Amino acid sequence: AQSVTQPDIHITVSEGASLELRCNYSYGATPYLFWYVQSPGQGLQLLLKYFSGDTLVQGIKGFEAEFKRSQSSFNLRKPSVHWSDAAEYFCAVATYSGNTPLVFGKGTRLSVIA
Amino acid sequence: SQTIHQWPATLVQPVGSPLSLECTVEGTSNPNLYWYRQAAGRGLQLLFYSVGIGQISSEVPQNLSASRPQDRQFILSSKKLLLSDSGFYLCAWSVPRSGGAVTTQYFGPGTRLTVL
Repeated sequence: AQSVTQPDIHITVSEGASLELRCNYSYGATPYLFWYVQSPGQGLQLLLKYFSGDTLVQGIKGFEAEFKRSQSSFNLRKPSVHWSDAAEYFCAVATYSGNTPLVFGKGTRLSVIA
Repeated sequence: SQTIHQWPATLVQPVGSPLSLECTVEGTSNPNLYWYRQAAGRGLQLLFYSVGIGQISSEVPQNLSASRPQDRQFILSSKKLLLSDSGFYLCAWSVPRSGGAVTTQYFGPGTRLTVL
């Protein structure tokens, strides 16, 4: 069965610093990968997704993610973090069966300090 | 455009009381619908999903149930709430696909449930 691991439970970065959130997946076939962001007390918002094609995917709010098949990873990056980026970030994987639910990682909480 | 609503936004209920949370989707037909729960520090737990009216798949055995009385309405219920039912409940929808095409899930704003 497919699974998603987000190794970092909590990360703290300084405002203006770069960010990388890690995501590793376990799935035998070509995965379909997502990153979502959740602000406190809110629902999840889609940041970006990878289905096929270019392995570097651009998303909203200046985020990007790179799919690396050899490392089974889909890490999320941002070159310069803003205080408003403080939130919980979830990585998810879908199987090639569109009506089944996504499988989510446990999330990484990002704190941003001045 | 499509929108998803959840009602109520917050709820405080005593142990043993019933529960009914509602999720509705606008702007699409025959969506796939999902219920998730977030307990503090425990990520997203899939509770139920539905690919059509009357078709409910349960992922976790518990004292909760789900129903889909209308195409774009998804209800989460309980006859008797437990303390452990406290959490943040999220509804999501996706466009149904045939032939194995993958689709994206979109989430509602959530309902904060506190059981005392």
